[in-house]
Amino acid sequence: KNEVEQSPQNLTAQEGEFITINCSYSVGISALHWLQQHPGGGIVSLFMLSSGKKKHGRLIATINIQEKHSSLHITASHPRDSAVYICAVRSHGAGNMLTFGGGTRLMVKP
Amino acid sequence: DAGVTQSPTHLIKTRGQQVTLRCSPISGHKSVSWYQQVLGQGPQFIFQYYEKEERGRGNFPDRFSARQFPNYSSELNVNALLLGDSALYLCASMGTGGDLNTEAFFGQGTRLTVV
Repeated sequence: KNEVEQSPQNLTAQEGEFITINCSYSVGISALHWLQQHPGGGIVSLFMLSSGKKKHGRLIATINIQEKHSSLHITASHPRDSAVYICAVRSHGAGNMLTFGGGTRLMVKP
Repeated sequence: DAGVTQSPTHLIKTRGQQVTLRCSPISGHKSVSWYQQVLGQGPQFIFQYYEKEERGRGNFPDRFSARQFPNYSSELNVNALLLGDSALYLCASMGTGGDLNTEAFFGQGTRLTVV
């Protein structure tokens, strides 16, 4: 079993829909990162969380440390949100090493 | 300010050859990590360097090596290339190297194809 599991693996939505991507992990962590990867490979950091909730524009990220679970929400989705969304955790004592989930491929149709 | 820069962006090599990939972190960042991303999968940790010292190594064979220079740039070397080494190689720059939580900034990656 992977240390970081994401669901769903693939997601297709209509423009305007509310989207939720889930991430579960099995190790103790000091932080969780949500990242966005567009075709071509570049990765952009969206959020870094160690507790609670963060919001940036139409994106909201939450984390429940006790349940070892995080969610990324996109409100009023738009075709430009189409990308791969990746959850990565920083385990206790692991320095700067990140352990990544497999990613969720999101396509938003107009 | 320049972000994380990686070179080259694309590379085609033949099996058995050697390759060197380069990464320049964000100015002031002393930590560089390398990741391998095979098509359709999440990135896998290869190495972390902080203040020119190796701080972590992933489950990769000895054909993979890296170093960090006094200006904090880094090189990843892969010897005796195999077809399975074909992947996107990502470099991540972080401001600290210890246990402090810090944002990760990624380069655009080097796409290596081994034929």
